Amino acid sequence: KQEVTQIPAALSVPEGENLVLNCSFTDSAIYNLQWFRQDPGKGLTSLLLIQSSQREQTSGRLNASLDKSSGRSTLYIAASQPGDSATYLCAVYTGGFKTIFGAGTRLFVKA
Amino acid sequence: EAQVTQNPRYLITVTGKKLTVTCSQNMNHEYMSWYRQDPGLGLRQIYYSMNVEVTDKGDVPEGYKVSRKEKRNFPLILESPSPNQTSLYFCASSSRGDTGELFFGEGSRLTVL
Repeated sequence: KQEVTQIPAALSVPEGENLVLNCSFTDSAIYNLQWFRQDPGKGLTSLLLIQSSQREQTSGRLNASLDKSSGRSTLYIAASQPGDSATYLCAVYTGGFKTIFGAGTRLFVKA
Repeated sequence: EAQVTQNPRYLITVTGKKLTVTCSQNMNHEYMSWYRQDPGLGLRQIYYSMNVEVTDKGDVPEGYKVSRKEKRNFPLILESPSPNQTSLYFCASSSRGDTGELFFGEGSRLTVL
């Protein structure tokens, strides 16, 4: 059974710091991996989608990498800002119309 | 603007009073799904639909029904809500599960008294 783990569960950093959020999954047979941002009480906003054949994706200050063989993905946020404060979730699509989500990392960026 | 729209966004109801949460997407996506999000349990899939008239159970389908009569709409029905269905509900859609990006609605916060 696929399990997705995100470490750390919470993170507090000063503004301007570069940071890395981790996502690991137990079964490497995935079709894609997606990173989301969720603000309190709000919906999930898609940040980056990495297909199983890709190694990384970039969007602005965000860079996500995927290593299927080791079951890992990282989300790199450069020059963090207070507006980046949110919960970040990763999700893997395993086929069979099932997407498995991690519990998320709560990020707080201090001004 | 491409979007997934859910209604109502907030609802307080009482045990046993049937309710429907609507979901509509304007991206012509084949795939739609419902999730609930609870503290400490994360996002769990309730039902999903691969296309019109094709639906299947997710991980926590008990107490819920769905229908997919039109491609754009995928309502979630609670026939007899109970307090353990108090949760934050999300509808999502995708063009294709194996390569498609998943788009989410804003969420519907439901409280059952």
